[in-house]
Amino acid sequence: DAGVIQSPRHEVTEMGQEVTLRCKPISGHNSLFWYRQTMMRGLELLIYFNNNVPIDDSGMPEDRFSAKMPNASFSTLKIQPSEPRDSAVYFCASSRGPEAVYEQYFGPGTRLTVT
Amino acid sequence: TQLLEQSPQFLSIQEGENLTVYCNSSSVFSSLQWYRQEPGEGPVLLVTVVTGGEVKKLKRLTFQFGDARKDSSLHITAAQPGDTGLYLCAGNTGNQFYFGTGTSLTVIP
Repeated sequence: DAGVIQSPRHEVTEMGQEVTLRCKPISGHNSLFWYRQTMMRGLELLIYFNNNVPIDDSGMPEDRFSAKMPNASFSTLKIQPSEPRDSAVYFCASSRGPEAVYEQYFGPGTRLTVT
Repeated sequence: TQLLEQSPQFLSIQEGENLTVYCNSSSVFSSLQWYRQEPGEGPVLLVTVVTGGEVKKLKRLTFQFGDARKDSSLHITAAQPGDTGLYLCAGNTGNQFYFGTGTSLTVIP
């Protein structure tokens, strides 16, 4: 079975540009999570969807970040405009939910570098 | 401040040694998970514990959930180089979910 799929795996962009990260969760999973990981701050939860509806977006840093889940098999995380401090590895994860919502399966991540 | 504090932050040991990693909080968790992350990859779920005092074993790994559900430990027996990685605990309190600060383990052959 295919795991969580993320694209691109690497993204290098200039400050001010728009960045869109993509995620395809595991088929049949009802919950989807977006995380950011840095050496300084560790793994931070940005936003969490359940049945395509955002449940908790309190971790989204600021208005420059937005996330959508138009259907059960696709989600995007957009940064506009991007800044150097957004450089990090961004992970998408999915889970079966609700009884196992926190047992998450992670994708390989997107390494974002903003210059 | 981090809700889930892990210790030690870094650990380097020789192959064959035993080790314990701790995950502590002042909050009560409904469930707690342990993940292992290897360089360049996403975290991989190892175990979930939900009952205070619960002990689970996964080959050479033993996981324990504290009686009060505020802390957890991971014990590895006879560590092997393949155990090298970042170990993360994670837990939920109601609808809030948190990852721990992480323990980076290196097992030297």
